[in-house]
Amino acid sequence: AQSVTQLGSHVSVSEGALVLLRCNYSSSVPPYLFWYVQYPNQGLQLLLKYTSAATLVKGINGFEAEFKKSETSFHLTKPSAHMSDAAEYFCAVRGNQGGKLIFGQGTELSVKP
Amino acid sequence: NAGVTQTPKFQVLKTGQSMTLQCAQDMNHEYMSWYRQDPGMGLRLIHYSVGAGITDQGEVPNGYNVSRSTTEDFPLRLLSAAPSQTSVYFCASSYYRQSSGNTIYFGEGSWLTVV
Repeated sequence: AQSVTQLGSHVSVSEGALVLLRCNYSSSVPPYLFWYVQYPNQGLQLLLKYTSAATLVKGINGFEAEFKKSETSFHLTKPSAHMSDAAEYFCAVRGNQGGKLIFGQGTELSVKP
Repeated sequence: NAGVTQTPKFQVLKTGQSMTLQCAQDMNHEYMSWYRQDPGMGLRLIHYSVGAGITDQGEVPNGYNVSRSTTEDFPLRLLSAAPSQTSVYFCASSYYRQSSGNTIYFGEGSWLTVV
């Protein structure tokens, strides 16, 4: 079985500051991990995904995430926040047998000018 | 390139009414699923399907039915709507057999209010 925990339901940063959104997973099989972004009243857009090819994954809009098996973590980072990054971010896990994609509770990112 | 299409986008139902949320994808994906999104709870899986004629329950299946008669369509039926089913519903699809790392694509969502 898989599960995901996102630490912090709300994160606030200043424009230009580092963004760090935390995600820890639990999986009984090698996981595939995803970060999605949701802008207000819209669907989910894939930011990046880990599929075992490389532990450091680069995504769209300057985001990246590092898979750390020893820490069961897949934290999302961006060196410099932009106002347009304000959105809700979801971490999700899928087992290597396919099937269900399980989401975390989401983290709302606010960016202050 | 339509991707995943959900209808309707907005719906208001009275308690006890039934309705069907439609979902269609044009990418020949085997895997399709329905999620509901509620504040502070992320997206929770209702039902999913790994191919035509195959469906299975997710985390929160009660009060919902699904069927998968074709690869393209995966409708979600609310049998007798309750206020607790007020939520935003998302349909999603992906390839299944080739790799679990395949991207899952989401529809734009259906906002449902039960009064």
